[in-house]
Amino acid sequence: EDKVVQSPLSLVVHEGDTVTLNCSYEVTNFRSLLWYKQEKKAPTFLFMLTSSGIEKKSGRLSSILDKKELFSILNITATQTGDSAIYLCAVPNNAGNMLTFGGGTRLMVKP
Amino acid sequence: SQTIHQWPATLVQPVGSPLSLECTVEGTSNPNLYWYRQAAGRGLQLLFYSVGIGQISSEVPQNLSASRPQDRQFILSSKKLLLSDSGFYLCAWSVEPRGLAKNIQYFGAGTRLSVL
Repeated sequence: EDKVVQSPLSLVVHEGDTVTLNCSYEVTNFRSLLWYKQEKKAPTFLFMLTSSGIEKKSGRLSSILDKKELFSILNITATQTGDSAIYLCAVPNNAGNMLTFGGGTRLMVKP
Repeated sequence: SQTIHQWPATLVQPVGSPLSLECTVEGTSNPNLYWYRQAAGRGLQLLFYSVGIGQISSEVPQNLSASRPQDRQFILSSKKLLLSDSGFYLCAWSVEPRGLAKNIQYFGAGTRLSVL
C-alpha cells in the first residue's frame, strides 16, 4: 500500500522567514510526486517532480526530490502572510489514476 | 480551458436525511473523476473514483455512494446521513491521456457538510 508522510504537522513563522516542508513516501512503482497548496477551499497544483536532484521553482517556492532516500522538500523563502495554507504532498499509484495524499502541513505566517 | 464546478458550497443536514452533491467538469472529455473527504485541517481521503460513465470504484466502505450518469458529471449520495459523514468533500478531475499529465488532479471548491 502506498504511503505518504508529511512533517511537520503544523508550523508558525513570521513574515520573511524561510520554511522547509518535508514529504516522505513509499510507493510500489514511483511515477511522480506532487505538491499542492490549499488555502481555504480547493487545493491548487504547485509542482510535479519526477527526477532526483532537479529543483522546480516558482517565485519564492522551490521543491526538490530525492528518489534514493524517498523524500521531497518544499522550500518557501521570504514568507508572506499569503503563504499561510495547508501544503499537501501526493504520489500517484502505478496506473497513474489515483493519488495517495499525505496528512498535510499547516503553515501559518504571522505579520 | 477546463473548469470544475461543485455545489453546494455549504450544507447543513439532519441525521437520517438524504444527500446529493454534484460535480461537473467543462472543457475536457472522458476525464477521470474523484470524490475525496477531508477531515478538519488534514489530508485527503479518496472515497470514489470513476474512469468513465457508469464506472465507479469505491476505496473505503461507508454510508456513501457515487454515480456518473454523464461523462462530465459525478454525484455523491447518501440515503441516510450519519453524524460521522460531516466533513469537507472535494471533487477532482484528471485527464485520461497517457503520460505523466494524468497524474495531476484538479480540484473543485469543495462542499462543507455539517450533519446535525
